[in-house]
Amino acid sequence: EDKVVQSPLSLVVHEGDTVTLNCSYEVTNFRSLLWYKQEKKAPTFLFMLTSSGIEKKSGRLSSILDKKELFSILNITATQTGDSAVYLCAVNSGGYQKVTFGTGTKLQVIP
Amino acid sequence: SAVISQKPSRDICQRGTSLTIQCQVDSQVTMMFWYRQQPGQSLTLIATANQGSEATYESGFVIDKFPISRPNLTFSTLTVSNMSPEDSSIYLCSVDKGEGGHYGYTFGSGTRLTVV
Repeated sequence: EDKVVQSPLSLVVHEGDTVTLNCSYEVTNFRSLLWYKQEKKAPTFLFMLTSSGIEKKSGRLSSILDKKELFSILNITATQTGDSAVYLCAVNSGGYQKVTFGTGTKLQVIP
Repeated sequence: SAVISQKPSRDICQRGTSLTIQCQVDSQVTMMFWYRQQPGQSLTLIATANQGSEATYESGFVIDKFPISRPNLTFSTLTVSNMSPEDSSIYLCSVDKGEGGHYGYTFGSGTRLTVV
C-alpha cells in the first residue's frame, strides 16, 4: 500500500523565521510528488516535482526531491502570517492516476 | 489550469437525509475525482468519475452510499446518502492537471458538511 508521511505534524514559528517541512514516501511506480497549501477547504497547488536534485522555487517557497532517499522538503523563508496553513504532500504513482496524500503539516506563523 | 465551481459551500443536514454536491468545470476534462477530508485527516479518494461510464470507487466506498453522476465532460455530482454524523467532512472535487503524463490536481472550493 502506498504511503506518504509528513513531519512535523504541526509547527509554530515567528514571522521572519525559515521553516522546512518534510515528506517521505513509499509508493509503487513513482511518477511525481506534489505540494499543496490548504488554508480553508480547497488545497491550492504549489509544486510538482519529478526529478531529483532540481529545486523548484516560487517567491519565498522552494522545494526539492530526492528520489534515492524517497523524500522531499518544502522550505519557506522569511515567513509571514499569511503562510499559516496546512501544507499537504502527495505522490502520484502507478499507471492509474492515483494520488496519495500525506496527513499534512499545520504551520502557524505568529507576529 | 481549470477553474472548478463547487456548491454548496457548506450545509448542515439532518441524519438520514441526502445531500447532492455539484462541480462545474470551465473546460472539458476526462476524469473528475471526489475526495473526502474528515476532521483532522488528510484527503481520501472516494471515486473517479469518467463521462459515459460508471464511477470507479475506492476501497471502503460504495455506490449506494455515494452515488455519482457524470453527464458530460464539464460536470459531476456526488450524493451523500442516508447521512450520519460520521459523514461530517469536507468534500472536494478535483480534475487532473495532466502535464506530460504526470497528474497534479486542481480542486474545487470544497463543501463543508455537518450532519446533526
